[in-house]
Amino acid sequence: AQTVTQSQPEMSVQEAETVTLSCTYDTSESDYYLFWYKQPPSRQMILVIRQEAYKQQNATENRFSVNFQKAAKSFSLKISDSQLGDAAMYFCAYRSAGASGTYKYIFGTGTRLKVLA
Amino acid sequence: EPEVTQTPSHQVTQMGQEVILRCVPISNHLYFYWYRQILGQKVEFLVSFYNNEISEKSEIFDDQFSVERPDGSNFTLKIRSTKLEDSAMYFCASREGQLYEQYFGPGTRLTVT
Repeated sequence: AQTVTQSQPEMSVQEAETVTLSCTYDTSESDYYLFWYKQPPSRQMILVIRQEAYKQQNATENRFSVNFQKAAKSFSLKISDSQLGDAAMYFCAYRSAGASGTYKYIFGTGTRLKVLA
Repeated sequence: EPEVTQTPSHQVTQMGQEVILRCVPISNHLYFYWYRQILGQKVEFLVSFYNNEISEKSEIFDDQFSVERPDGSNFTLKIRSTKLEDSAMYFCASREGQLYEQYFGPGTRLTVT
């Protein structure tokens, strides 16, 4: 069974600085997707970034980028030029990519990011 | 931008009572999910629903739980006889197709007393 681990329950970053959130996972599958979701307080989870396992290139979305190390089963999120609005809970999630299946997500426990003014 | 909506935002119920949590997925989505998050713990998959039937359920999703898409727009989760340990945040999610990510609702906080 697949598992996702986020070892940092809480992180802090100074506004305008860079922070990296860690995520490791375990799977025997070769093809899958990885996601980072952001959950602001009392709001729904919003997709931040997606990485397809078959792609060697790391995904980037504006200030957000990932460091995907498939062999090490590591998927960290880097937030550059942190803004106050980045403060939220961040969840790492895994999803199978097989042709059949329900594509349920397996989540990590989350990392609460605080942004200091 | 279309959103998944959930009602109510907070439900308080007594142990043994039935509750129905409601979700309105994004209109052209075909795959629907319920997840739950007990306070301080990870978000856990409960059930997935496609083509008017359950496609997968977790071991948490026992006979006390059921899902329904009664009218083509709503997607409901019913808990027949709530227990204290059912207290959690329940998230609904929907997905358009095989390759697409899931979109989540804001959640319903269920408190069982």
